[in-house]
Amino acid sequence: GQSLEQPSEVTAVEGAIVQINCTYQTSGFYGLSWYQQHDGGAPTFLSYNALDGLEETGRFSSFLSRSDSYGYLLLQELQMKDSASYFCAVGLGGFKTIFGAGTRLFVKA
Amino acid sequence: DVKVTQSSRYLVKRTGEKVFLECVQDMDHENMFWYRQDPGLGLRLIYFSYDVKMKEKGDIPEGYSVSREKKERFSLILESASTNQTSMYLCASSLRASGGAGETQYFGPGTRLLVL
Repeated sequence: GQSLEQPSEVTAVEGAIVQINCTYQTSGFYGLSWYQQHDGGAPTFLSYNALDGLEETGRFSSFLSRSDSYGYLLLQELQMKDSASYFCAVGLGGFKTIFGAGTRLFVKA
Repeated sequence: DVKVTQSSRYLVKRTGEKVFLECVQDMDHENMFWYRQDPGLGLRLIYFSYDVKMKEKGDIPEGYSVSREKKERFSLILESASTNQTSMYLCASSLRASGGAGETQYFGPGTRLLVL
């Protein structure tokens, strides 16, 4: 079967750095994406890795190791507004994407 | 900016009713998707469409059907609503098929459906 594993919850303090891991077991792989979802809101795209390595977008970075079937989202200089759920997602090809169950990030003052 | 809109934010229906959820996107995207989101389960794909009148089953299509008569509109139909279909329903669209830089999905605000 297809599976994505990510922690259910992470807590960090304002200004800190937090890493949210995602490991996957899928029949196909066309890239790893990350989405952010605030309570009551729609998921919004954060980043995408198709190749191994680090992608940086402002305070957010995403890493992929295809040989390890592993990736992570790194959030730096945490702000209260970063409190949200974060989903990793794998593109399987053929229009299909599978999502992880999500990691709820709590940022404390 | 891509805009994906859904017809209702909240719906309350009774068991056995036929329910229509509408989704419209304004960026001429080829692909549209319907997901349901439940706590601890993430997003699960119900159906998707890669062109007008074309549809494919996702992972949990039972009890649902879809319609795509126009490129910008994708409808999810619950033929006979049941209590286990109480959930958050999210519509999304993307420019191209999964597999390239265009795979980013743009989501609507969601419809929270309660079936009594």
